[in-house]
Amino acid sequence: DAGVTQSPTHLIKTRGQQVTLRCSPKSGHDTVSWYQQALGQGPQFIFQYYEEEERQRGNFPDRFSGHQFPNYSSELNVNALLLGDSALYLCASSLSGQGEVKNIQYFGAGTRLSVL
Amino acid sequence: AQTVTQSQPEMSVQEAETVTLSCTYDTSESDYYLFWYKQPPSRQMILVIRQEAYKQQNATENRFSVNFQKAAKSFSLKISDSQLGDAAMYFCAYRRGGTASKLTFGTGTRLQVTL
Repeated sequence: DAGVTQSPTHLIKTRGQQVTLRCSPKSGHDTVSWYQQALGQGPQFIFQYYEEEERQRGNFPDRFSGHQFPNYSSELNVNALLLGDSALYLCASSLSGQGEVKNIQYFGAGTRLSVL
Repeated sequence: AQTVTQSQPEMSVQEAETVTLSCTYDTSESDYYLFWYKQPPSRQMILVIRQEAYKQQNATENRFSVNFQKAAKSFSLKISDSQLGDAAMYFCAYRRGGTASKLTFGTGTRLQVTL
């Protein structure tokens, strides 16, 4: 059973460029959340997707956008990259619903984005 | 807004010894969940243990246990019989109850395990 997978592992971009990061959720999961983790910090919530809709959003500008596909995989897009966007981007998947085992988020290994 | 505070940037423990990592949180919610995640150098966040706020009994997972003090809003992690593989960043996280809810993380504690 494959866990959460993210691609690419590492990415280098220059200021002003656009980037797309990809995430495949754990088998059976229907919800994908994205987090940004700056060096030495805890992850910060960007947004969450469920049923192909953005269900919740953190305090990030509109340059950050996403998409969820019918197979539950997801993309994170960042436009007009800034130096401050350099970070580890983590994807987490979960199964929506009530109950103790629902809504537990399992993480991928992340994409390291460097903006030069 | 909910906040999670980890006041120990770094901790060190000898192999086979016990160590406790501290976490406090602030919330006005009554329905919530607390988690400890481990992040080794491989970067992948691994769920260590979780606690449901409505449960009075402290959660345990093998060598890992928590001390959940709801009134004090404290949620510490105890690692018994520490192993070299326990060395990692440990993050405390909070999630409000319900189906659509983000995780709020603390700033982490780096745990070193020495021989």
